Amino acid sequence: DTAVSQTPKYLVTQMGNDKSIKCEQNLGHDTMYWYKQDSKKFLKIMFSYNNKELIINETVPNRFSPKSPDKAHLNLHINSLELGDSAVYFCASSLDGGYGSYNEQFFGPGTRLTVL
Amino acid sequence: KNQVEQSPQSLIILEGKNCTLQCNYTVSPFSNLRWYKQDTGRGPVSLTIMTFSENTKSNGRYTATLDADTKQSSLHITASQLSDSASYICVVSRGQAGTALIFGKGTTLSVSS
Repeated sequence: DTAVSQTPKYLVTQMGNDKSIKCEQNLGHDTMYWYKQDSKKFLKIMFSYNNKELIINETVPNRFSPKSPDKAHLNLHINSLELGDSAVYFCASSLDGGYGSYNEQFFGPGTRLTVL
Repeated sequence: KNQVEQSPQSLIILEGKNCTLQCNYTVSPFSNLRWYKQDTGRGPVSLTIMTFSENTKSNGRYTATLDADTKQSSLHITASQLSDSASYICVVSRGQAGTALIFGKGTTLSVSS
């Protein structure tokens, strides 16, 4: 009955590889997000989707591509991985209203990506 | 520049003691301010959300205050427990679509017995 789930929890890969992280929420929320948390524990928004439509795309390299097959899923695909991509990636969801609204965001457990 | 500054960066207290964490922001226009708790290896969990008109909000032993005039917020933890050991993150919303959530870097709290 996990509200926001992510897979895998840990991902170790070589530079140059392509990888995906999956996120699913069973809360019936309309908006989903991807965040990156660096080694200094600083959280930064990457993408936001509302009803399968991209509404926020921060200054993220185009090697990162979110894909939302339906409003319960927002997957993150990363091409040509670089050392600097090593971080913890969090998925989150909120009821509606879009980014910055009053609606509480529920976070997944995170995926720790290590690029060697 | 829209920024959220938190202090102290880290804090160690004894179990049972109270503590207060600070958050100063320069985000404009202001929509709401949130406090999150993030346990090690877990995602952040919302503690409180306050709008411009709310001065204080409680969630169990956690009480957040907001002074929109001075652009300051605090999170007071009463009778701390070992499980309170975590990072506490202050987040301010600009209230517009787009880049609306500005995150602080967090305060790491360690509660020892």
